[in-house]
Amino acid sequence: EVQLVESGGGLVQPGGSLRLSCAASGFTFSTYWMGWVRQAPGKGLEWVANIKQDGSEKQYVDSVKGRFTISRDNAENSVSLHMNSLRAEDTAVYYCVRAPATGAKRDFDYWGQGTLVTVSS
Amino acid sequence: IQLTQSPSSLSASVGDRVTITCRASQGITIFLAWYQQRPGKAPKLLIYAASTLQSGVPSRFSGSGSGTDFTLTISSLQPEDFATYYCQQLNSYPLTFGGGTKVEIK
Repeated sequence: EVQLVESGGGLVQPGGSLRLSCAASGFTFSTYWMGWVRQAPGKGLEWVANIKQDGSEKQYVDSVKGRFTISRDNAENSVSLHMNSLRAEDTAVYYCVRAPATGAKRDFDYWGQGTLVTVSS
Repeated sequence: IQLTQSPSSLSASVGDRVTITCRASQGITIFLAWYQQRPGKAPKLLIYAASTLQSGVPSRFSGSGSGTDFTLTISSLQPEDFATYYCQQLNSYPLTFGGGTKVEIK
């Protein structure tokens, strides 16, 4: 059974930093792109970042470029999101996603339960 | 690429046929996915490649379209289908989602 379990969310002051982690199990982690999607309270979904199987390619939404860094550890079956210079508008539930990218199958087929990040003084 | 979903909300009864549309600001071939999100839960993949049903998803869900215009159809609405639905384009970065369609009970 595929499982994605996020951790690391919490309350942080504006300008602060936080590291989210996602532990993956139930599939061959090193063969999948992985990513993060966030959802501000009462709002829609926003893709944040993706990382290729070997970590050689990383993509970010413009609003987090230069502040967030996605990384992965294929030996530990984990993906992380390092968030710096946090702003109030980064407040959201952050979901870890598995992102197949094989032929026509491009989607986010598994999601974690989400971890809440609140940026407030 | 901007995705415009319509309607933003709708009221329907159990057994109704429901159609949600998603329009892309430029062509995305077939790289469009649909998700269902129930309150307080993570989204769930329903359809990928515009029209391919994800494994385990009931056959009352179907998707169609290519290029810029796409639809998600629920052939006979069930009580568990009352949720918010999102489209997503995966043709090019930055990946984007539509604004969502909330399906409520009439």
